[in-house]
Amino acid sequence: GENVEQHPSTLSVQEGDSAVIKCTYSDSASNYFPWYKQELGKGPQLIIDIRSNVGEKKDQRIAVTLNKTAKHFSLHITETQPEDSAVYFCAASISPGGGKLTFGQGTILTVHP
Amino acid sequence: GAGVSQTPSNKVTEKGKYVELRCDPISGHTALYWYRQSLGQGPEFLIYFQGTGAADDSGLPNDRFFAVRPEGSVSTLKIQRTERGDSAVYLCASSLTPGESSPLHFGNGTRLTVT
Repeated sequence: GENVEQHPSTLSVQEGDSAVIKCTYSDSASNYFPWYKQELGKGPQLIIDIRSNVGEKKDQRIAVTLNKTAKHFSLHITETQPEDSAVYFCAASISPGGGKLTFGQGTILTVHP
Repeated sequence: GAGVSQTPSNKVTEKGKYVELRCDPISGHTALYWYRQSLGQGPEFLIYFQGTGAADDSGLPNDRFFAVRPEGSVSTLKIQRTERGDSAVYLCASSLTPGESSPLHFGNGTRLTVT
């Protein structure tokens, strides 16, 4: 089955700096790659996703890049703010079962004011 | 509008007991998913419903775990003869339709503690 590795496990940045989280996946058939943000005591919330026919997608301060050849994808957050502090998870899925996601282990992001 | 609702938010039970965890999906969402999240880990897929039927239950760890969705809306995850290793947050998610074009909306989970 699919295996998703996520790095780093923790990331500490100063407010205004950029943050990058990287994930690799094992199954070349995976074609949907969402990113989730999870705050303490809450469920994961989708922040951005990318499909295998796209190399990059941007939404305001958040961007995701995908390299299908290398089987890795990354989340980029620019101009970080303290409210960006949370646990971030990458995930991969094989369509059409798009909801059956394999998650990475998570990255605890701390943004210091 | 209302999101995915899970009850109870916390459940403490003794080893060997039976528990039921409830999920109310977003109204109109046909697909429903159960995931389990252990401390410090990402969620792990358990089971997926399309309507009333379980379309994929490959993530259920063993036959002590069972889930139903009799009317295609509310779902109940049932765990028999609970073990300490079952302690985790159980997350429910729903989507308008199955597939990546319809993102998952997660509830806040039920934290299960088996003593």
